Amino acid sequence: KAGVTQTPRYLIKTRGQQVTLSCSPISGHRSVSWYQQTPGQGLQFLFEYFSETQRNKGNFPGRFSGRQFSNSRSEMNVSTLELGDSALYLCASSLRTGARTGELFFGEGSRLTVL
Amino acid sequence: AQTVTQSQPEMSVQEAETVTLSCTYDTSESDYYLFWYKQPPSRQMILVIRQEAYKQQNATENRFSVNFQKAAKSFSLKISDSQLGDAAMYFCAYRSGIGSSYKLIFGSGTRLLVRP
Repeated sequence: KAGVTQTPRYLIKTRGQQVTLSCSPISGHRSVSWYQQTPGQGLQFLFEYFSETQRNKGNFPGRFSGRQFSNSRSEMNVSTLELGDSALYLCASSLRTGARTGELFFGEGSRLTVL
Repeated sequence: AQTVTQSQPEMSVQEAETVTLSCTYDTSESDYYLFWYKQPPSRQMILVIRQEAYKQQNATENRFSVNFQKAAKSFSLKISDSQLGDAAMYFCAYRSGIGSSYKLIFGSGTRLLVRP
């Protein structure tokens, strides 16, 4: 069974540009979450989607947005990139059957560098 | 707001020995879940062990066990018979049991070094 797939794995952008990151969850998983990981701020929650609906959102500016498609794949977009957006962006999926201890399965991340 | 604190930025252990990683958390909720995740250099986060707050018994998964002290809001991870493959960043995480969100709040992490 394939794991969580994130593309691209590495990318370099310049300030002011925008970027779109993609996440394909494990087959059958309907919930996708995104996290930003930086040395200074650690792991911070960005968004959570379930059945194409955003269920929760972290404390990030409006430049950060996301969506989920009917096949559960998700994308996140960052517009008007800033140097501080350089980070590892992690996607996680969950089966979300209603089990209260549903496990999150993480992808390997997309490493974004903003110059 | 809930917070998770890992006060040990780095720990070192001799192969085959035992090491304990510390984690404290703050919450006013009574229903929640606690997790330890491992992030090896390849970066993929892996769930090591989970604990439901309503369970008094400490969780155990093979060489990994936790010491859950609910009143003290402490959740430490003990790794027995440490192996070279245990070297990684370890993150403690909290999830509320209220509502349907799977949002995790992570601690800052502890880097575990394993000496051969």
